[in-house]
Amino acid sequence: GAVVSQHPSWVICKSGTSVKIECRSLDFQATTMFWYRQFPKQSLMLMATSNEGSKATYEQGVEKDKFLINHASLTLSTLTVTSAHPEDSSFYICSARREWLATYNEQFFGPGTRLTVL
Amino acid sequence: AQSVTQLDSQVPVFEEAPVELRCNYSSSVSVYLFWYVQYPNQGLQLLLKYLSGSTLVKGINGFEAEFNKSQTSFHLRKPSVHISDTAEYFCAVSDLVKAAGNKLTFGGGTRVLVKP
Repeated sequence: GAVVSQHPSWVICKSGTSVKIECRSLDFQATTMFWYRQFPKQSLMLMATSNEGSKATYEQGVEKDKFLINHASLTLSTLTVTSAHPEDSSFYICSARREWLATYNEQFFGPGTRLTVL
Repeated sequence: AQSVTQLDSQVPVFEEAPVELRCNYSSSVSVYLFWYVQYPNQGLQLLLKYLSGSTLVKGINGFEAEFNKSQTSFHLRKPSVHISDTAEYFCAVSDLVKAAGNKLTFGGGTRVLVKP
């Protein structure tokens, strides 16, 4: 159990277009999902926390108008990169939080989406 | 706030040799500790975690880690590596505040290259 999928696995788009990435928890409900960004040979940086039924919480330095997050259901969060530019090219990874212990919620990670903006 | 330092960015090791990946963390509060593995162009897979109890934690694929509170370390070890262990390894910490979402803070990663 605890499988998280992402779609698409990779996408190539032209500069100025918008790209939507989906994150789904397949066998559990997730009120909270997280979106990370990873540059080549670097670590994961948390971009935002996606909350079902409410606005996302963005980390400092992340443009909320650039990276639109929608958590429309308990199993789906989407990240839309608006007006993408080459510097937005990156590996985007989501995770879904599952209730586990009274004091701890474990995150399960998706396989990632490789975005290349030409 | 927490921070995580992985002391080695790259570790070459011969097949069947032991390997140790070092991780130190800094936090003003108690934390949970994790090791994740990432294969090329894939997401993260949890190797093991320390939440409480025994400081020696055993994970998948023969990995284990030891939590040392006084040294604020959580080093990962495997007694005998395989070619398939070639991957990027991330140490991460999470605060104990469930209401804050148990956010993860990652170290910079250690690339393990297993040579035949």
